[in-house]
Amino acid sequence: AQSVSQHNHHVILSEAASLELGCNYSYGGTVNLFWYVQYPGQHLQLLLKYFSGDPLVKGIKGFEAEFIKSKFSFNLRKPSVQWSDTAEYFCAVNSFGNEKLTFGTGTRLTIIP
Amino acid sequence: GAGVSQSPSNKVTEKGKDVELRCDPISGHTALYWYRQSLGQGLEFLIYFQGNSAPDKSGLPSDRFSAERTGGSVSTLTIQRTQQEDSAVYLCASSWGLAGGGSDTQYFGPGTRLTVL
Repeated sequence: AQSVSQHNHHVILSEAASLELGCNYSYGGTVNLFWYVQYPGQHLQLLLKYFSGDPLVKGIKGFEAEFIKSKFSFNLRKPSVQWSDTAEYFCAVNSFGNEKLTFGTGTRLTIIP
Repeated sequence: GAGVSQSPSNKVTEKGKDVELRCDPISGHTALYWYRQSLGQGLEFLIYFQGNSAPDKSGLPSDRFSAERTGGSVSTLTIQRTQQEDSAVYLCASSWGLAGGGSDTQYFGPGTRLTVL
């Protein structure tokens, strides 16, 4: 069975700091990888996804993630965070051809102005 | 356009009662998913509908849980004889269901917070 690990449960950063949130998955085959974000009081929404091609994926609001197959990782990065990035971030994976997503437990990001 | 909507937004029930949760997907989306999020847990897959195909029920935790999707649109998740461990946020998502390979973006609703006393 697939599993997703997000090692950082709560991250606190100051504005303008750089961000990297870890995501590791366990599955040996072809995967699709996703980062979803939930801003306070809002729905889950897609930040970015990888399914083929360039392993460096760019998403909305200046976020990017790099798929490193040899490390089973899909870490999320942003060079300079803003207060408005305060949210909960979820990494998710599915195997090729399988629609159901397996989510990590989420990382709560707090940005201090 | 309208997103995925769910009702009710909050539901408080007594142990042993049945509950029905409703999901209205984005118009035109052929795929519909139910997930739940328990306190301190990630989202857990429950069930997936794609068009007229038989649903993937592999995530339903017990036979007290069932779901149906009428006319390829609205879906209802039913929990019979609720237990306290059923307390969670139940999320519905929909997608176009066209990309194949599992790479479709799933669009999530606001969820229904279920509390079983």
